[in-house]
Amino acid sequence: EDKVVQSPLSLVVHEGDTVTLNCSYEVTNFRSLLWYKQEKKAPTFLFMLTSSGIEKKSGRLSSILDKKELFSILNITATQTGDSAVYLCAVEAFPSISNFGNEKLTFGTGTRLTIIP
Amino acid sequence: SQTIHQWPATLVQPVGSPLSLECTVEGTSNPNLYWYRQAAGRGLQLLFYSVGIGQISSEVPQNLSASRPQDRQFILSSKKLLLSDSGFYLCAWKVWGGVRYEQYFGPGTRLTVT
Repeated sequence: EDKVVQSPLSLVVHEGDTVTLNCSYEVTNFRSLLWYKQEKKAPTFLFMLTSSGIEKKSGRLSSILDKKELFSILNITATQTGDSAVYLCAVEAFPSISNFGNEKLTFGTGTRLTIIP
Repeated sequence: SQTIHQWPATLVQPVGSPLSLECTVEGTSNPNLYWYRQAAGRGLQLLFYSVGIGQISSEVPQNLSASRPQDRQFILSSKKLLLSDSGFYLCAWKVWGGVRYEQYFGPGTRLTVT
């Protein structure tokens, strides 16, 4: 069974700090790893990672994947109060021949990040 | 551009009552559609997915069911709600076979069973 574990479960930091969120996974036929940000409602997409060692960046957020060690990190620099949210990590596996077309995600429980002004 | 709608936004239902949540997608054809539930303090749990009209796969045994009567419509139902059905229900879509693999989520329905 595919498994995603995120750490820490929650994190409280001051505005301006840098944070690192962790995601480790076990999945058969790994295809991609995705990061989402969830505030009050639906998750919004941040990054998709498929290759090891290639950093993806978007403003103050960046993420990298290590397929050998089966983990990913999400970094947020110069944090702002608007970064407060639950950050979800998910992995996708290639569908099997008998299950073709099903590209489902397995989610971790998330890291709740709180930024104190 | 693609958009995904869910309704209602919030719902309070007594135990034993029926349920119908609807999800529709605009701006895309033949998407994969997904129903997730997020209980308090827990991650997103996949309930059902559909790769086409009338094609539903269930991920977990439960008293819920799903249907896909049209290409861009996905319905989550129950004949009799349980207290444990409370949670945040999210519909998601993804283009099958597309280059971009990420799933996009609807705004969600917060269900409270009393």
